[in-house]
Amino acid sequence: GAVVSQHPSWVICKSGTSVKIECRSLDFQATTMFWYRQFPKQSLMLMATSNEGSKATYEQGVEKDKFLINHASLTLSTLTVTSAHPEDSSFYICSAVPGGLANYGYTFGSGTRLTVV
Amino acid sequence: AQSVTQLGSHVSVSEGALVLLRCNYSSSVPPYLFWYVQYPNQGLQLLLKYTTGATLVKGINGFEAEFKKSETSFHLTKPSAHMSDAAEYFCAVSVRNFNKFYFGSGTKLNVKP
Repeated sequence: GAVVSQHPSWVICKSGTSVKIECRSLDFQATTMFWYRQFPKQSLMLMATSNEGSKATYEQGVEKDKFLINHASLTLSTLTVTSAHPEDSSFYICSAVPGGLANYGYTFGSGTRLTVV
Repeated sequence: AQSVTQLGSHVSVSEGALVLLRCNYSSSVPPYLFWYVQYPNQGLQLLLKYTTGATLVKGINGFEAEFKKSETSFHLTKPSAHMSDAAEYFCAVSVRNFNKFYFGSGTKLNVKP
């Protein structure tokens, strides 16, 4: 079945540094991927839509200069948190959608826990 | 536009009792509906989904949900709670060809021995 791999699963970084999170579709091509953010004890909020070969589309209120998204190939999207601050600490989850209703809904990554100290 | 409302941020049941987690949605087009479970510090696991066809959907771990269009609801049930069901549950709505998911605020299920 369709699998989305997310790496790393957790990362600790110092304030002011940048962190890159990778999202890969392992056995299918994904022209579109999505990035979600989950604050502690809250729900998941869509941050941006990542489009292969073009600019990402950001949801209202998400700083595109802070959360850089690159979708350079049909199987890889990256989210870079630039100049990270403690308030960026969160759980980030990516999603991709392969073709076919049978796979729809299964393809979330396992998440990345980012802690900025 | 799509949105999801989950009634009850915390639900507590006794082991062996019925589990009922409520979800109402709003969608301007026919929705796809999902229930996910999340254990601490883990990603999302799909419990079940409704896309088309039968409105009563059975999922993993004994859970099921019924899509009721007239009530715009997709409540999650399980006849008999197990201690291992203690987790947070998210209802989500999506729309075909758009592929974005909109999540409810989540319901944390506590199962008492």
